[in-house]
Amino acid sequence: GEDVEQSLFLSVREGDSSVINCTYTDSSSTYLYWYKQEPGAGLQLLTYIFSNMDMKQDQRLTVLLNKKDKHLSLRIADTQTGDSAIYFCAESISRGYQKVTFGIGTKLQVIP
Amino acid sequence: EAEVAQSPRYKITEKSQAVAFWCDPISGHATLYWYRQILGQGPELLVQFQDESVVDDSQLPKDRFSAERLKGVDSTLKIQPAELGDSAMYLCASRLGPAPGELFFGEGSRLTVL
Repeated sequence: GEDVEQSLFLSVREGDSSVINCTYTDSSSTYLYWYKQEPGAGLQLLTYIFSNMDMKQDQRLTVLLNKKDKHLSLRIADTQTGDSAIYFCAESISRGYQKVTFGIGTKLQVIP
Repeated sequence: EAEVAQSPRYKITEKSQAVAFWCDPISGHATLYWYRQILGQGPELLVQFQDESVVDDSQLPKDRFSAERLKGVDSTLKIQPAELGDSAMYLCASRLGPAPGELFFGEGSRLTVL
């Protein structure tokens, strides 16, 4: 079945790197996403990775995918106070249509 | 910049009343999703449309919730009657087609049931 798990909370100091982890259960995932949600707002796509890739880098963001362990991580370099938000991991699974399932979200707190 | 439009932004209602939410996806986007996000949780899929057809409504509480996308463009999600446990953010998202790709989200409709 579809299940995406994340830790609930992460606190880092400004300027440090943040690493947010996610595990998923469905091996037929096609895309894996990281979305960001600020208070009272909708979700904004940060980055995504194809399931046949193992790494993607986009400016301060690095996504690592371990398909064998079904583990996805998001690294944010030089974390800023503006990065404080909730980060959602999501997977797109082929069911004859593409179903997108989200994790519970990791709240990132950046301490100045 | 194209965006997913949702209304109302906020809705306060009493239990047993009817409530409706509207979503207008990005022009040309064939796939439309309604998610419910309870405070402190991740979005949960309620219903997914491909054009005007429902492709997944397995998590939609059909005794009180209904959704339609009559012309394959905008969509309405209705709750009747509303219950206290329906208090949540209702998020609409759209995607260009059935293939994997980015979901674009609206700002959401926050429902409070008193």
